[in-house]
Amino acid sequence: QVQLVQSGAEVKKPGSSVKVSCKVSGDTFSSYPITWVRQAPGQGLEWMGGIIPIFSTTTYDQKFQGRVTMTADKSTSTAYMELSRLTSEDTAMYYCARLIPAYSSGWLGWFDPWGQGTLVTVSS
Amino acid sequence: EIVMTQSPATLSVSPGERATLSCRASQSVSSNLAWYQQLPGQAPRLLIYGASTRATGIPARFSGSGSGTEFALTISSLQSEDFAVYYCQQYNNWPRTFGQGTKVEIK
Repeated sequence: QVQLVQSGAEVKKPGSSVKVSCKVSGDTFSSYPITWVRQAPGQGLEWMGGIIPIFSTTTYDQKFQGRVTMTADKSTSTAYMELSRLTSEDTAMYYCARLIPAYSSGWLGWFDPWGQGTLVTVSS
Repeated sequence: EIVMTQSPATLSVSPGERATLSCRASQSVSSNLAWYQQLPGQAPRLLIYGASTRATGIPARFSGSGSGTEFALTISSLQSEDFAVYYCQQYNNWPRTFGQGTKVEIK
């Protein structure tokens, strides 16, 4: 059974960066893209981007371009999402999820399963 | 960007009753649509992909339908564990986008 386990909650100052990890177990890490979604308090879900670990290929929502970096360490089956220049609007729960391709590979697919989430609070 | 609009925002239903949730895309997403359930304090869980295919382990009371721009999620007989927020998401175009969610609450 595939499991995604994320790192613990973070409290950050405005202007700083945060790096969230997502460790995958129970499956071949490199085979599927890992995607990141965030959810502000009481709000809906917002897709941020993703990474294909085997190629380290990334795709980002334009909204986060220049501020987000997604990486993967194949040796530890762990994906990372780093967000810089934090503001209070970045306070949210951050989720990683495995992307299941609709075809044999690629980005076209759904998200399953999800990690438990990492709460990032940005406050002075 | 494709805008996904869900209705209603809140649906009040009695246990055992049927619930139908709607999701509309601002342009066609073919059948590249998924539904997720989010229980309070938990991560989302995949229910439906490809607009109508149930994910592994999802009970048969959940069904999805539609294609193009109009989609629906039906829960045939609501159980206590089904009261949650439901999101639709398109994966046909960049960026991937979600609806704002429908909260299904106990009537």
